Amino acid sequence: QKEVEQNSGPLSVPEGAIASLNCTYSDRGSQSFFWYRQYSGKSPELIMFIYSNGDKEDGRFTAQLNKASQYVSLLIRDSQPSDSATYLCAVRVQGAQKLVFGQGTRLTINP
Amino acid sequence: GAVVSQHPSWVICKSGTSVKIECRSLDFQATTMFWYRQFPKQSLMLMATSNEGSKATYEQGVEKDKFLINHASLTLSTLTVTSAHPEDSSFYICSARDWGTGELFFGEGSRLTVL
Repeated sequence: QKEVEQNSGPLSVPEGAIASLNCTYSDRGSQSFFWYRQYSGKSPELIMFIYSNGDKEDGRFTAQLNKASQYVSLLIRDSQPSDSATYLCAVRVQGAQKLVFGQGTRLTINP
Repeated sequence: GAVVSQHPSWVICKSGTSVKIECRSLDFQATTMFWYRQFPKQSLMLMATSNEGSKATYEQGVEKDKFLINHASLTLSTLTVTSAHPEDSSFYICSARDWGTGELFFGEGSRLTVL
């Protein structure tokens, strides 16, 4: 079982709709959770991080964490074509410095 | 925001040569830097964790003699791909942790093509 799993997609969402991206992780000791956006040929850029159970909102983005289910998600409201990218979920285990990345979900927002 | 600079952004080399990639934190000190490799349409795979002033910690399956990492200062880590072969062609990305805030920042990446 991979440490961090994501549906590779592609996920297609019409412009203006809500895009929902999901991620599961295997290590219950995981403490920090990150969502990165990566455009083709570019390096990842941090969108959000979340440490506590529940929801965290930042503009059009909402991260949701459920440690009991070992599940973290990212919702993008009012999706824009510029949101089309690969979204990477990353997890940091307690006591470790490194991040473990999922395989990424390719998101396409259709005008 | 904080900036991590990688150089070169792209490089083409002949098989058998060595290539050095630099990763610099421009406005913060980074005691820890990470080197990732990403093949097309795949996720980032951690190669090694680079700690200032000490030996790098390599992930399982990564050849330390082939991928030499040096972290001689708080703002610079280098990755040298020795005796490069076509299968080493990839996108290499570094990230640096700001020792003051703990935040992690990514460099722009370096695309290596070995002919």
